[in-house]
Amino acid sequence: DTGVSQDPRHKITKRGQNVTFRCDPISEHNRLYWYRQTLGQGPEFLTYFQNEAQLEKSRLLSDRFSAERPKGSFSTLEIQRTEQGDSAMYLCASSLARQVNYGYTFGSGTRLTVV
Amino acid sequence: EDQVTQSPEALRLQEGESSSLNCSYTVSGLRGLFWYRQDPGKGPEFLFTLYSAGEEKEKERLKATLTKKESFLHITAPKPEDSATYLCAVGGSGGSNYKLTFGKGTLLTVNP
Repeated sequence: DTGVSQDPRHKITKRGQNVTFRCDPISEHNRLYWYRQTLGQGPEFLTYFQNEAQLEKSRLLSDRFSAERPKGSFSTLEIQRTEQGDSAMYLCASSLARQVNYGYTFGSGTRLTVV
Repeated sequence: EDQVTQSPEALRLQEGESSSLNCSYTVSGLRGLFWYRQDPGKGPEFLFTLYSAGEEKEKERLKATLTKKESFLHITAPKPEDSATYLCAVGGSGGSNYKLTFGKGTLLTVNP
């Protein structure tokens, strides 16, 4: 297993377009998280899955954002009608429920630029 | 609401010059204080978890300590490859430790 994979690494889109990002967690990890990081800031929590169930969404996640984790494996994060304020690094992380004290394993992120 | 404040925002050291990074936190029920390292263009890399005041953990040139209000990341005799942003995070407000609240990080530059 090579860790948490995110695709694409970079995405440039025009304002108003829809974009979708994919995250493949470490295979045995049952928890999956999405965070957003802007320049000079720490990551901010967006949403969290345990297996296929989405258990919490941050108030940062507007109605334009939706995340799924079908069958408890990979996850997708979709942003509809993108705005310039959506430009950020979108980070995915995974962990085992019983080993959260070992910390998450993050992917390398998808950098979104909205022009 | 959980809060994490890191200082300084940036730190420049000469190779071999030891120093410390600070992380002050406010949390209703600490379920872990985490330190991560982040290189440019990459995701954070887990370093340590601390749970109780007085706890210490070490890894190579790094040592993390924890009090009831803050954590320190001590860097002993740093090398240029230690240059990175160091992030502190707390977990567990509301009785869960699945959601982390991060500070803004300290950008460390070690000059040869």
